[in-house]
Amino acid sequence: NAGVTQTPKFRVLKTGQSMTLLCAQDMNHEYMYWYRQDPGMGLRLIHYSVGEGTTAKGEVPDGYNVSRLKKQNFLLGLESAAPSQTSVYFCASIGQGRGGELFFGEGSRLTVL
Amino acid sequence: SQQGEEDPQALSIQEGENATMNCSYKTSINNLQWYRQNSGRGLVHLILIRSNEREKHSGRLRVTLDTSKKSSSLLITASRAADTASYFCATDRRNQGGKLIFGQGTELSVKP
Repeated sequence: NAGVTQTPKFRVLKTGQSMTLLCAQDMNHEYMYWYRQDPGMGLRLIHYSVGEGTTAKGEVPDGYNVSRLKKQNFLLGLESAAPSQTSVYFCASIGQGRGGELFFGEGSRLTVL
Repeated sequence: SQQGEEDPQALSIQEGENATMNCSYKTSINNLQWYRQNSGRGLVHLILIRSNEREKHSGRLRVTLDTSKKSSSLLITASRAADTASYFCATDRRNQGGKLIFGQGTELSVKP
């Protein structure tokens, strides 16, 4: 049982390039989340999904797109990367419905030059 | 603005002492959760307290929730060097369809 797996774990991009982060969970969770973590800023919610085929905006959605075509996968896309998107990205999923705990991946460190 | 503001931002104590961290929030919530993050790792769930609960215990952890003051505290008793980590509160907002919002965290350092 792998839990929540994020790929890639590290990536360096040039400004303007695009990329996709993949989050996969094997716990049959309905809710999935993408956060970014910057020094001194805590975790900020980018986008989230309450079920297959649904997505919703979080606190800092600009510059990102997401898709949830399969229940187990939640993709985070950067269409045109900017240095301000240099961050550590965490994916999480929730069990037991909305009242449960979040299970986190180990993070993806993205650097945009 | 960020829901869930922790204080202090940093806390340094000696092993064996108690550590108290506070979290304040602004809107009504379904529940409040505390998480721990070791350096360079993902967050790990510690404890969840529902809006109709006032206090909860789990091992050396004690969490209180005061919905009238919109605040929560996390107490770690008899701290150990291994408790050194960052601690975050997260609020599950009522009527906002699954949003979980984190605070900025408290960085705890426990010196042996």
